[in-house]
Amino acid sequence: AQSVAQPEDQVNVAEGNPLTVKCTYSVSGNPYLFWYVQYPNRGLQFLLKYITGDNLVKGSYGFEAEFNKSQTSFHLKKPSALVSDSALYFCAVRAFGGYNKLIFGAGTRLAVHP
Amino acid sequence: EAQVTQNPRYLITVTGKKLTVTCSQNMNHEYMSWYRQDPGLGLRQIYYSMNVEVTDKGDVPEGYKVSRKEKRNFPLILESPSPNQTSLYFCASSLAGGTAPDTQYFGPGTRLTVL
Repeated sequence: AQSVAQPEDQVNVAEGNPLTVKCTYSVSGNPYLFWYVQYPNRGLQFLLKYITGDNLVKGSYGFEAEFNKSQTSFHLKKPSALVSDSALYFCAVRAFGGYNKLIFGAGTRLAVHP
Repeated sequence: EAQVTQNPRYLITVTGKKLTVTCSQNMNHEYMSWYRQDPGLGLRQIYYSMNVEVTDKGDVPEGYKVSRKEKRNFPLILESPSPNQTSLYFCASSLAGGTAPDTQYFGPGTRLTVL
């Protein structure tokens, strides 16, 4: 069965420090991987996706993610966190044969402190 | 502006009173989908639609209905809501729903409370 794990409910980081939000996945075949962000009282906003090719994917707002096939991971990273990055982050994997159905992780709340 | 819209944004209702949450997209997308978001569970797919008049069940379809009579609209219907359907609902759309890994774009969400 396809699944996504986000092992941390919350990540705390000081403004200006690098941040990492972890994601591991399990899926049959090659994965398509996505990161979305949810700000309070807002919908999900697309950040980036991995389809194929370069393992380092760059996305919106300075975020990037590294695909690691051997570790089945797709961690979200940013070199220097901003207070405005504080939000709920979701990792999602495209289910094999699922006609664009996304399997989501439970979400990780990122808190960036001044 | 390209967007997915949902109405209402907030709804409080009582058990058994039929309700409809509307979803509309202006991007000419073929694929539309409904998800519900619950704490600790992430988002789970309720129903999806590959195109007009083509719909199918997702992972948690019980208690819900959908229809796709027009390409831009994909309403979610709760014919007899129950308290366990209290949740945050998201509509999403993408260009196509086949094997291509198109990005799904989400609406702002509808927070539903069933008393």
